[in-house]
Amino acid sequence: AQSVTQLGSHVSVSEGALVLLRCNYSSSVPPYLFWYVQYPNQGLQLLLKYTSAATLVKGINGFEAEFKKSETSFHLTKPSAHMSDAAEYFCAVVAGGTSYGKLTFGQGTILTVHP
Amino acid sequence: KAGVTQTPRYLIKTRGQQVTLSCSPISGHRSVSWYQQTPGQGLQFLFEYFSETQRNKGNFPGRFSGRQFSNSRSEMNVSTLELGDSALYLCASSWTGGPSTEAFFGQGTRLTVV
Repeated sequence: AQSVTQLGSHVSVSEGALVLLRCNYSSSVPPYLFWYVQYPNQGLQLLLKYTSAATLVKGINGFEAEFKKSETSFHLTKPSAHMSDAAEYFCAVVAGGTSYGKLTFGQGTILTVHP
Repeated sequence: KAGVTQTPRYLIKTRGQQVTLSCSPISGHRSVSWYQQTPGQGLQFLFEYFSETQRNKGNFPGRFSGRQFSNSRSEMNVSTLELGDSALYLCASSWTGGPSTEAFFGQGTRLTVV
C-alpha cells in the first residue's frame, strides 16, 4: 500500500524567502507523485506531477519538486515566496496498476507568508 | 472550457436524512472520483467511476454510494446521515483515471449534518 507523510502541518515564511514543503512517500511500486494547492473554500489545483520522465519537475507559479528515490522524498520548493502563495498544500501518491482515480494524500501543510 | 461543476455548494441536513450530491466532469472526461475532506481525517478517497462502472472503492461504509451516468455525470449518495459525515465532498475528473493522468477538482460541496 502507498502512503504519504508531509512533515510540518504549518510552515511560515517571509515574503521573498525560500519555500520548502516536505513530502516523503511509501510505495511498493514505482509511484506517481503530485503536489496540489488548495485555497480557502476552493477545490484542489495541480501544481506539478512526477511520472518518471525527469526527477526535477517544474510546475506552475514558480514551484518545482525533486524526486529522490534513495530518500523516498518529493519536496516542493519555490525560490521566492509571494503573499499569494498562502494556501494549503497537499502531496499525493498514486501507485501504478489498478489504482484507478485514487490519489492518496498527505495531511497537508498550511503555508503562511508574512510581509 | 468549463471546469468540474459540483452542486449544490452548501447543504445542511439533519441526522438520519439522506443526501445526494452531483458532479459534472469536464467535457470528454470519463473518470470521476469522489473524496471526503475533514479536518481530522484529511482527504480520503471514496470511489471512482469510469463509463458507468465503479472501478475503485475506498474504506467507507455502505451508506456511501455513487453512480455515473452515460454522459459521465456522477452522483454520490449518503444515507442515514451521521454528524461525522459533515465534510467537504470533492469530485475530480480526468480523461481515463489512469495513475499518471491529471485529476481536475471541483470546488466541492460543503455538507453540514445537524
